[in-house]
This record gives sequence, structure tokens and C-alpha cells, in this order.
Amino acid sequence: DIVMTQSPDSLAVSLGERATINCKSSQNVFDSSNSRNLLGWYQQKPGQPPKLLIYWASARASGVPDRFIGSGSGTDFTLTISSLQAEDVAVYYCQQYYTLPFTFGQGTKLEIK
Amino acid sequence: DVQLVESGGGLVQPGGSLRLSCAASGFTFSSHWMYWVRQTPGKGLVWVSRIYIDGGVTDYADSAKGRFTISRDNAKNTVYLQMNSLRAEDTAVYYCVSSVVSPFDYWGQGTLVTVSS
Repeated sequence: DIVMTQSPDSLAVSLGERATINCKSSQNVFDSSNSRNLLGWYQQKPGQPPKLLIYWASARASGVPDRFIGSGSGTDFTLTISSLQAEDVAVYYCQQYYTLPFTFGQGTKLEIK
Repeated sequence: DVQLVESGGGLVQPGGSLRLSCAASGFTFSSHWMYWVRQTPGKGLVWVSRIYIDGGVTDYADSAKGRFTISRDNAKNTVYLQMNSLRAEDTAVYYCVSSVVSPFDYWGQGTLVTVSS
């Protein structure tokens, strides 16, 4: 199975500052047949289901603010929130859908400093 | 609007069975893969199963193989997860997920399954 490892486990950032979450996969998740990294990022707030933020590593899902930026390729990926807002407090997960079983990172809890 | 509404969760004894349902609306259900993902406080998010548009292809996590069966009824816009031989470690919130425009873009609110005597 592909192991997804996020860092850090938790993060406290001041309002308006940048937040960076990393995700490393144990195997490549780049699909050369369509030139896409099969990786997504999700935001989960308490009592709610996960919400898709980023798909194919860098494409923003519909309605997602442009302060959420996904980057990376192959095995190393980053979710950046360019200017943290109070409503961004949540747990963030990465997921690979390159190969079965699809696997998630352990989550990164983002708080306000 | 796309909606996924799960039902069928509850308290069940070890070794028992449950059938989860997920009613979909707001998109052409018969044209999309459907998935089940579960979440426990201790193990986070875990993909459980998926089913192709016509039900002809199904896949399972190792933890579900031989005990869980995913199926769909495209006439009813509903996907199911039949769970047998339930164990304490199957206790989780089970989410129904679809890939309508993007992979894993819509999630239901989840249904809680508790396996306990």
C-alpha cells in the first residue's frame, strides 16, 4: 500500500500569515498516461465530512478560495494557505488515488496562533 | 445541487450485519463511480470500497474483503454497503463519496456504525 505521511501533525499560524502542510507518498503517484498527479487535499471541520479543496495535486475544486494552493509532483506535495483566515481552522488531509487501496495521510490540525 | 444521504447505521453486536444505503441526487448517478470511506478517531480516513457505473467492477480494502459487499441500483440512484461479520474495529462513521466533476468531490454527511456488545 502507498503510505501517505503528512507533516507537521499540527500547526499554529497567525491570521494573515502563510500556512504550509506537506504530504509525502511512499511511491510515485504521477500518472504519465495523462500527466497528472493523482493526489487530493481535503479540509475537515468538526462535525462535518471532508471537503475537497484540491485535486490532481494543484487544481482547485469549485468554489475553493484562491488562497488555497496545491503544488508538488511525484512523491512530494504541499498545500499552502497564502493568508490564513479564521474559517480555515480545520484538519487537512492528503489522499492518493493512483492505486488501490486509495490511502489518506494522518491529517494535520491547523489552528490560529 | 449534488446530495448524498447515507442511512442504515446504528448499534450492532460483534458478528452482526448492517446494510448502509446512500441516496444520491443532483447528478447522473449511473455515470459515476461511487465509494465508501470510513473514519475513526484513531485511524483517520480509510477508503473501504468502490463500484463502477454499472456495478461490473467492485474493489475493497483488505479489511473489507470477504465481509463487505458494495452494490448499486441505478434505477433508485442508490449505492449500498452490506456489512457482515462485523467487528469492533469496524466502528466508524461511514461516508458515501462520489466523483462527479473531480475525484472524490462530493461527500455525504456520514452514518455512524457502532459495533459493541
